Amino acid sequence: QVQLVESGGGVVQPGRSLRLSCAGSGFTFRNYGMYWVRQVPGKGLEWVALIWHDGTKENYAESVKGRFTISKDDSKNTLYLQMDSLRAEDTAVYYCARDLSYGSHEFWGQGTLVTVSS
Amino acid sequence: QSALTQPPSASGSPGQSVTISCTGTSSDVGDYNYVSWYQQHPGKAPKLMIYEVTKRPSGVPDRFSGSKSANTASLTVSGLQAEDEADYYCSSYAVGNNLVVFGGGTKLTVL
Repeated sequence: QVQLVESGGGVVQPGRSLRLSCAGSGFTFRNYGMYWVRQVPGKGLEWVALIWHDGTKENYAESVKGRFTISKDDSKNTLYLQMDSLRAEDTAVYYCARDLSYGSHEFWGQGTLVTVSS
Repeated sequence: QSALTQPPSASGSPGQSVTISCTGTSSDVGDYNYVSWYQQHPGKAPKLMIYEVTKRPSGVPDRFSGSKSANTASLTVSGLQAEDEADYYCSSYAVGNNLVVFGGGTKLTVL
C-alpha cells in the first residue's frame, strides 16, 4: 500500500534553515509528481510546492518562492523541502502528498510540525 | 484570505443531503475542470474525496459527489452519516502565481 512518511520538523529560529524529508513506499516513486502542502494548526490548507514526476520542473507558492526548494531523489524514494530564511509565518504542519492529476493530492503523509520561533 | 471561498460551516441530520459550495474565479475553478475535495478529521491528514470535479478515487462512497457551474464548484454528501462530520476543503488548479489554490474549509456537522 502507498505510504508517505515525513520527517525533519522541529523548532527553529527565524532566519535559519530546515530540511524536511518524505519517504515514499508502495509505489514507483519516479512516476509521480509530488507536493508539499502546509497547514497552520487550526487553520486551512496552503499549497507550498510541486515537483514534476521527472524532476524537470518545480512550482512554488508566492509565499515561499525564493526561500524554499523542492527536490526528489528517486534512488532513495524520497522527497525533500529545503526551507531557508524561515519566518514565524512558516510555522505549520507540513504534509507531503502524491499527485493524481493536475493539482489533486491522492495520498498524504501524516505531517511534520515546523515551529519558527526565537 | 483564501483564494477559494467556502462557507465556514454546514450541517445536516443523518440521512439527509448537504451541499458545500466553493467559489473561485475564471482563473481557477472557472477555467479548469481540476477541482478537488478533501475530507479532514481532527488530527488527521486530509483525504481526497473528489478529483477532476466529479471523479471519486477508489474506496470513496458514492454518497459523495461533485459538480461545477461557472466559477462555483459543489460537493454534495447524500445519506449523511455520523462519520461524515469533518472539515472539507476544495482546491483547484490555477493560472497565475499559485499553481494550486485551496478554499478556507467548511466544518460539516452531523446533527
